[in-house]
Amino acid sequence: AAGVIQSPRHLIKEKRETATLKCYPIPRHDTVYWYQQGPGQDPQFLISFYEKMQSDKGSIPDRFSAQQFSDYHSELNMSSLELGDSALYFCASSPSGFTDTQYFGPGTRLTVL
Amino acid sequence: AQKITQTQPGMFVQEKEAVTLDCTYDTSDQSYGLFWYKQPSSGEMIFLIYQGSYDEQNATEGRYSLNFQKARKSANLVISASQLGDSAMYFCAMRGMFSGGYNKLIFGAGTRLAVHP
Repeated sequence: AAGVIQSPRHLIKEKRETATLKCYPIPRHDTVYWYQQGPGQDPQFLISFYEKMQSDKGSIPDRFSAQQFSDYHSELNMSSLELGDSALYFCASSPSGFTDTQYFGPGTRLTVL
Repeated sequence: AQKITQTQPGMFVQEKEAVTLDCTYDTSDQSYGLFWYKQPSSGEMIFLIYQGSYDEQNATEGRYSLNFQKARKSANLVISASQLGDSAMYFCAMRGMFSGGYNKLIFGAGTRLAVHP
């Protein structure tokens, strides 16, 4: 079965640089979620999109922005990177519906030096 | 506000035995969903099992079952016949209808399970 695809899988950036993370949801899933997991921590919700519109917003820094495109893929743009942004970034997708399970991608491991 | 509590930072179990991972939750929502995810050392987040707040039966998925006690606000994961490949971090998560936000999952701190041969 098709899974959520994230690219790149690993990314190394310098402080103050920008990064773009991409997410391709499972086919026919119209909702995309982004989570950030710091070292030794649980995942924290950043933002979600339903049918290309932002549907919910969590603890996402103003330096970050995201969008969902017409083909339902999503991109998380991160600017002015800080050391504290080093984390595992997950994208998840689900069909619309409250009870629907969120299926996670393999994650992008971002390291900021 | 919604909260998930996992009080066991680490657990170990002998291969082929059963193990219960504890999860308690707090929410003012009447409608909510509870999930368990497994995170191996490779980092991916694997969905294991789901329980809806209105489901009268405990959820089961193969060797995984969820012991749902609504009055106690607990949703413990039971893994039967543990295998070496079950060694991983396990997260309990909740999705609320209103107070937690319609979309986001709120996770507990996780329990690291080690299966010994």
